[in-house]
Amino acid sequence: EVVLTQSPGTLSLSLGERATLSCRASQSITSIYVAWYQQKRGQAPRLLVYGASSRATGIPDRFSGSASGTDFTLTISRLEREDFAMYYCQQYGSSPLTFGGGTKVEIK
Amino acid sequence: QVQLHESGPGLVKPSETLSLTCAVSGYSIAGGYYWGWIRQPPGKGLEWIGSIYQSGSDYYNPSLKSRVTISVDTSKNQFSLRLSSVTAADTAVYYCARAIMVRGANYFDYWGQGTLVSVSS
Repeated sequence: EVVLTQSPGTLSLSLGERATLSCRASQSITSIYVAWYQQKRGQAPRLLVYGASSRATGIPDRFSGSASGTDFTLTISRLEREDFAMYYCQQYGSSPLTFGGGTKVEIK
Repeated sequence: QVQLHESGPGLVKPSETLSLTCAVSGYSIAGGYYWGWIRQPPGKGLEWIGSIYQSGSDYYNPSLKSRVTISVDTSKNQFSLRLSSVTAADTAVYYCARAIMVRGANYFDYWGQGTLVSVSS
């Protein structure tokens, strides 16, 4: 099973700042098979990025994803108020599908 | 617009079977795609339970496989989850979702709002 480790656990930033969220896989996976989700309190997750770097339909271009080996990154270029939430990565390069433990992006 | 809606009992007794249904609107299950279940214990992260295709082809998380059955009813445009022999560790918000299949594994593009199932006597 591929274990995904997300860091940091919490990211405290101000409006307009850049957020960099990390997701590291415990073993090599097909690099493009990572998705990122945003989850707000009391809501279902929302797909942001799939294929490591492709934005889902309707997702603003301030969200971007990248990959390097077993390291995956979600970047939010300029934080807006609605971006403060939990973020999860998920790998689908091998079964079972697994999710990371999440990063909370909070207002500083 | 694809919409999914989970329904089922909010409280299940230990050792009994949890049963949930996901009604899909805005898209015909028979038209393709996989359909999946994911759960989230209170205050914790996400865990994939399993996924099924409209033909009935399914695959499960090995950690739950011995207790899980997912089925699909194309005539009602819905799919269902059964989890047997539940314990308090199965208390979670259960989500259904539409799954995009890529080389044998899924990511999820549309989600239901989730339903909380508590296991308690």
